[in-house]
Amino acid sequence: GEDVEQSLFLSVREGDSSVINCTYTDSSSTYLYWYKQEPGAGLQLLTYIFSNMDMKQDQRLTVLLNKKDKHLSLRIADTQTGDSAIYFCAEIRSGNTPLVFGKGTRLSVIA
Amino acid sequence: EAGVVQSPRYKIIEKKQPVAFWCNPISGHNTLYWYLQNLGQGPELLIRYENEEAVDDSQLPKDRFSAERLKGVDSTLKIQPAELGDSAVYLCASSRGQGGQETQYFGPGTRLLVL
Repeated sequence: GEDVEQSLFLSVREGDSSVINCTYTDSSSTYLYWYKQEPGAGLQLLTYIFSNMDMKQDQRLTVLLNKKDKHLSLRIADTQTGDSAIYFCAEIRSGNTPLVFGKGTRLSVIA
Repeated sequence: EAGVVQSPRYKIIEKKQPVAFWCNPISGHNTLYWYLQNLGQGPELLIRYENEEAVDDSQLPKDRFSAERLKGVDSTLKIQPAELGDSAVYLCASSRGQGGQETQYFGPGTRLLVL
């Protein structure tokens, strides 16, 4: 398909791990991003991964990339209430194309 | 380092009125982007500037939307006249390099409500 696909909602308990999944569209995409948007705010860059990598870890965040399936995931360890937000997956496709976003996954953390 | 600055943060206008949004990118960032974010959706690109040149405006509704980045730094996005369907968040982003392949940093957005 042409769209970046994400599940719309995820609910986890505080202290558990969260895994947010994304399916992107272009096997030649160079960079894949995760942005976080809190209510009433702009998009905050969380992390990104270059297409020649399989995994990237940054403190509580782990990004996994499966190029064969065009699947990207974001794992948040020890999820906190402050992690409640909408998480957007985005890809930069090959060529001179803009950043393409999914519709976002709303993460709710239950105390 | 200051982030991307946008103003106003909120704007309420009546339909058919004009409205303008302003963006100041991160210092040293050559590329500036305007995005539209409808409720429940991800951002969609309206226009991309490299320095003062609009290099991708294919998604900008040119009958009512216009943008400028005269000195290659800050930028203004205008809607005239506004319609009810223009109610959305208008996000500005910037990146250091050119070609649209660089990491983009976003401002807080302007929330527009057209009544």
